[in-house]
Amino acid sequence: DGGITQSPKYLFRKEGQNVTLSCEQNLNHDAMYWYRQDPGQGLRLIYYSQIVNDFQKGDIAEGYSVSREKKESFPLTVTSAQKNPTAFYLCATKGGSGNQPQHFGDGTRLSIL
Amino acid sequence: SQQGEEDPQALSIQEGENATMNCSYKTSINNLQWYRQNSGRGLVHLILIRSNEREKHSGRLRVTLDTSKKSSSLLITASRAADTASYFCATDPPGSGNNRKLIWGLGTSLAVNP
Repeated sequence: DGGITQSPKYLFRKEGQNVTLSCEQNLNHDAMYWYRQDPGQGLRLIYYSQIVNDFQKGDIAEGYSVSREKKESFPLTVTSAQKNPTAFYLCATKGGSGNQPQHFGDGTRLSIL
Repeated sequence: SQQGEEDPQALSIQEGENATMNCSYKTSINNLQWYRQNSGRGLVHLILIRSNEREKHSGRLRVTLDTSKKSSSLLITASRAADTASYFCATDPPGSGNNRKLIWGLGTSLAVNP
């Protein structure tokens, strides 16, 4: 989706290291989401944010942290407390209210060194 | 939590054939959404069908919704090799407000053979 940029595309984490995944959008959408996808699986919600300076835990927030200081940006930090971080991470946005779909970035693949 | 269930988990067809995927869910919904994911890429929205709608079309895609059976189907007609991807359904339950936490299925992996 051209309006959502995730970086880097590939990321490697060493033991005990925190890493931050970037998600930037130019769609002017209020809501932003972080999902984790494991091989052959569906999407699991990590964190989501409806407005700047506000965010809520999803279903699997342990070992992750986020911030929402700007409408355009919703970075995700994978902390050393997340013992199994190897996965495909997807950022999504949603505009308006009511019946609107989510729009996705192209993902970041995180692996353990 | 994963409440949507796609059926089948995997589907292999020849180019030109039709592909049908089904999605069942457990709660009442505001709408149901279908997405496509090519290998190693993000998801792309295909069709959103509201709870008061029964059928929607978009090009070669046809989605039906049966709220009494809590199920939906996605039909891809005259399939092409480029349709090879994973297809996910997601339900938008009532009461989630503007936060809109979708409930995702596990996906159907479609392979269209040339």
